[in-house]
Amino acid sequence: EPEVTQTPSHQVTQMGQEVILRCVPISNHLYFYWYRQILGQKVEFLVSFYNNEISEKSEIFDDQFSVERPDGSNFTLKIRSTKLEDSAMYFCARRTQGHNSPLHFGNGTRLTVT
Amino acid sequence: AQSVTQLDSQVPVFEEAPVELRCNYSSSVSVYLFWYVQYPNQGLQLLLKYLSGSTLVESINGFEAEFNKSQTSFHLRKPSVHISDTAEYFCNSGGYQKVTFGTGTKLQVIP
Repeated sequence: EPEVTQTPSHQVTQMGQEVILRCVPISNHLYFYWYRQILGQKVEFLVSFYNNEISEKSEIFDDQFSVERPDGSNFTLKIRSTKLEDSAMYFCARRTQGHNSPLHFGNGTRLTVT
Repeated sequence: AQSVTQLDSQVPVFEEAPVELRCNYSSSVSVYLFWYVQYPNQGLQLLLKYLSGSTLVESINGFEAEFNKSQTSFHLRKPSVHISDTAEYFCNSGGYQKVTFGTGTKLQVIP
């Protein structure tokens, strides 16, 4: 299946700055997800997005985070005021159907907060 | 709700030896099971899946997994591993909106 494209591949930002991570899935997919993986740790669920609305979010996904799909194509994750502990790999994933279909991941964006 | 347990955090194995990565699930409803692989500096990729039908499922690179209802297991096996199989492997039971992953199993293939 077609890949999910994430941009940028690496983002370096200063603490307190806003960052926007982008994901370009295929337009007819309904389910989108963001995950975070701190170096050497597990893949953590952040948020799921279905039918252009947040459907589920984790306790990590606080007020500093937001997601949107502004143009029906790009799917973005915004961190308003980055903290050092936000440094991680961020993965976007999509699926075409419900709970019996697999997720398809992008190669991630490495966010480094200095 | 479905959940999975991967008991082994790391599995070292010599090249060309067989390997089994263990996954046990708990569920009271329909079972959908997946194995994903994460190579260094990459995202997760689907390795194989069980939805229904034949209990033995295979991937294109020699891995297989068997759905065992009596033991509630979905162990991943390969008869002869290669250096390129060094990666982290995640068992997953699907889910609706909140799709989570466990701690994974790091497979280290030793030359």
